[in-house]
Amino acid sequence: EAQVTQNPRYLITVTGKKLTVTCSQNMNHEYMSWYRQDPGLGLRQIYYSMNVEVTDKGDVPEGYKVSRKEKRNFPLILESPSPNQTSLYFCASSIRGPSYNLQFFGPGTRLTVL
Amino acid sequence: AQKVTQAQTEISVVEKEDVTLDCVYETRDTTYYLFWYKQPPSGELVFLIRRNSFDEQNEISGRYSWNFQKSTSSFNFTITASQVVDSAVYFCALSEPPGNTPLVFGKGTRLSVIA
Repeated sequence: EAQVTQNPRYLITVTGKKLTVTCSQNMNHEYMSWYRQDPGLGLRQIYYSMNVEVTDKGDVPEGYKVSRKEKRNFPLILESPSPNQTSLYFCASSIRGPSYNLQFFGPGTRLTVL
Repeated sequence: AQKVTQAQTEISVVEKEDVTLDCVYETRDTTYYLFWYKQPPSGELVFLIRRNSFDEQNEISGRYSWNFQKSTSSFNFTITASQVVDSAVYFCALSEPPGNTPLVFGKGTRLSVIA
């Protein structure tokens, strides 16, 4: 089954404790991205990757890191999480860039930083 | 710059009523795509429709229909005979060239359908 998976689905952590949210897709997609969703703000892009070893900032990259060492994986790293990073996070992938290609979204990761 | 406005923050309707969710977009490109996604209480994003800027035909899928009007930069979504299972947050989104330009989402409309 073609899908985007994220782990964990739910995470409660404390300020400053490094964490990684994994994202994996099995569709051989070149493009992957991370969004965060906050009440009243919709979804905003954090980082994206056009292909392996190619990543770039989205609209709200501060406090996040990503890597794209393999085509299928695109982990989101919070080196020192803060309460303002409490949010619902979505990973997405598409064959190529999102302009013309349908993006497939993961199930979401609900993160709470205390 | 591209922008999507969903002016209706929350809507409540009684089951079997028709409801229209508004979406107004801004873009300088002549080539772009518009999307609608549904986010049920479980939290996942469910793709509903994609429409490119050259296709202004309205679309109907069961109880769902979409009205795309370039003249008013709107892409409205109507649910006919609403059901409780339609209760969700609905997002309208826009994408345009170049290839790495992200989807731009509206802030969403929360629809509550009351039995």
